[in-house]
Amino acid sequence: GAVVSQHPSWVICKSGTSVKIECRSLDFQATTMFWYRQFPKQSLMLMATSNEGSKATYEQGVEKDKFLINHASLTLSTLTVTSAHPEDSSFYICSAPGQGSSYNSPLHFGNGTRLTVT
Amino acid sequence: GNSVTQMEGPVTLSEEAFLTINCTYTATGYPSLFWYVQYPGEGLQLLLKATKADDKGSNKGFEATYRKETTSFHLEKGSVQVSDSAVYFCALRGAGQGNLIFGKGTKLSVKP
Repeated sequence: GAVVSQHPSWVICKSGTSVKIECRSLDFQATTMFWYRQFPKQSLMLMATSNEGSKATYEQGVEKDKFLINHASLTLSTLTVTSAHPEDSSFYICSAPGQGSSYNSPLHFGNGTRLTVT
Repeated sequence: GNSVTQMEGPVTLSEEAFLTINCTYTATGYPSLFWYVQYPGEGLQLLLKATKADDKGSNKGFEATYRKETTSFHLEKGSVQVSDSAVYFCALRGAGQGNLIFGKGTKLSVKP
């Protein structure tokens, strides 16, 4: 079945540094990918929609200059947390719809990235 | 806007007990409804889905029926196993939308 690979699975960084998270669709093409953030004991909150060949669409309240998204190809989207601060520590999850229309295809999720900013 | 509310956990059951995790939603139009499961250390996996009213999604002994009159999509399983221990998320996809809106998740622990 469709697989989404997310890397790294966990990362620890110092305040002020930047961290890049990769999301790859392994056996299908994804013109759209979704980036979610999950706080402890909270739901997954959509941060942004990554669009291949165009700018990402950010949800209200998400700083686009802080969370840089680049959809470099039909199988790769990256999320870069710039100038990270401890409050950015969270669990970040990417997802992509499978083959076919994004409105009908189920979403396939990466295993998530646990970011800890010290 | 669209939203999903599911019962808070954690839920602790003995093996072979009956499971119900309540989920209700608010949405305009006719959304699709999903249950995702997250096993320890793994990513979210689609458990089952229903795309229109009165549809019943089922998988691995789990069932959920899309009830438009009560705006609900409760998850049930007749006899849980230890291997069902996980976090379960109810989710909604609005008509014409690509992303999902999730409930807060319910952690299920099944004891032998």
